[in-house]
Amino acid sequence: SQKIEQNSEALNIQEGKTATLTCNYTNYSPAYLQWYRQDPGRGPVFLLLIRENEKEKRKERLKVTFDTTLKQSLFHITASQPADSATYLCALDINTGNQFYFGTGTSLTVIP
Amino acid sequence: NAGVTQTPKFQVLKTGQSMTLQCAQDMNHEYMSWYRQDPGMGLRLIHYSVGAGITDQGEVPNGYNVSRSTTEDFPLRLLSAAPSQTSVYFCASSYGLEGVIYGYTFGSGTRLTVV
Repeated sequence: SQKIEQNSEALNIQEGKTATLTCNYTNYSPAYLQWYRQDPGRGPVFLLLIRENEKEKRKERLKVTFDTTLKQSLFHITASQPADSATYLCALDINTGNQFYFGTGTSLTVIP
Repeated sequence: NAGVTQTPKFQVLKTGQSMTLQCAQDMNHEYMSWYRQDPGMGLRLIHYSVGAGITDQGEVPNGYNVSRSTTEDFPLRLLSAAPSQTSVYFCASSYGLEGVIYGYTFGSGTRLTVV
């Protein structure tokens, strides 16, 4: 069955450093992948989308890579700030469209 | 500009009761989905729709029904509530762009407890 794994451990980093979050998947070849941010008690908020033919995508301090050979996406936040503290989710499109499966998320805490 | 509106925000049901979670979007999005979120399980897809009149099952559809009579509305019905359906439910909508379904806009969620 489809499996999407994200860092199971919470990630704590110092303000100003780069945070790197991992999304690994098995048993499928998604055409594209998305990253979301979720704050406690709220719905996820879309951040970035990357297609299978794109190696890298950037948006301000965010960078996403997509390696279809390794079946992995990396999500980077550079110059991290305490306001970046949240849970980050990756989501993969499944086959025929509008079926997006989510990973369990990684909790990030940026320490001032 | 409301986005995706879910009602109610909180609900307590007794086992065996039925209810409908409402979801409405005002962005003219063709794609809509329902997810449930449980601790340690992440978001799991219940049902989804690619347009008015078209719905399909996701990962965990048992015990739930949906309909999509209009582009705006996508209600989720719990047929006979069970404690295992205690969860936070999210509705989301999106649109197609250059061959992909772009990022979802999520509602604020419905926290459901079944006792």
